[in-house]
Amino acid sequence: DVKVTQSSRYLVKRTGEKVFLECVQDMDHENMFWYRQDPGLGLRLIYFSYDVKMKEKGDIPEGYSVSREKKERFSLILESASTNQTSMYLCASSKSWQEAYEQYFGPGTRLTVT
Amino acid sequence: AQRVTQPEKLLSVFKGAPVELKCNYSYSGSPELFWYVQYSRQRLQLLLRHISRESIKGFTADLNKGETSFHLKKPFAQEEDSAMYYCVTRGDSSYKLIFGSGTRLLVRP
Repeated sequence: DVKVTQSSRYLVKRTGEKVFLECVQDMDHENMFWYRQDPGLGLRLIYFSYDVKMKEKGDIPEGYSVSREKKERFSLILESASTNQTSMYLCASSKSWQEAYEQYFGPGTRLTVT
Repeated sequence: AQRVTQPEKLLSVFKGAPVELKCNYSYSGSPELFWYVQYSRQRLQLLLRHISRESIKGFTADLNKGETSFHLKKPFAQEEDSAMYYCVTRGDSSYKLIFGSGTRLLVRP
């Protein structure tokens, strides 16, 4: 059973703080993803990684960066948090390019920026 | 660009009634389409994919290229079907999934 874990379920940060969201998967998946989930907007892809140290921008990368130093870990970084980054953040992984349609999601981190 | 549209934010039905969650897509080629579901307090997960043409938990979805639709259907709704449903397509890069805005299904007793 694939397990995707995220470091925090709830996080409250102040405007301008640097924020780290961590995601770990335990099934040796090649691909990892970061989304934000907002009511009425669905899920929007921020960044994804198809290999260690490889990353690609998604649809809304502005204000975010990522790091993937190890295969199992994918970090999302908010360099200077702003109130419009208040959202639910979901991490996901998928086994390979061929099976990229099936993504396994973490429980989410609800981030509030005040 | 590929896009999926879910016109209903909320769909409320009574237990035992038929359910149809609407999804329309825009893509000129042969799309890959999926439905993902998120039950209360559970993780988002894949429900079904159009290519498999299978029924999962009583749900089916048929790709209609003429109408560019991929509606999710179930003949008799159950209370445990209450959840958020997302219609999803696969992006050009194939790593990416493109999510619709989601429809919340509420099945009343």
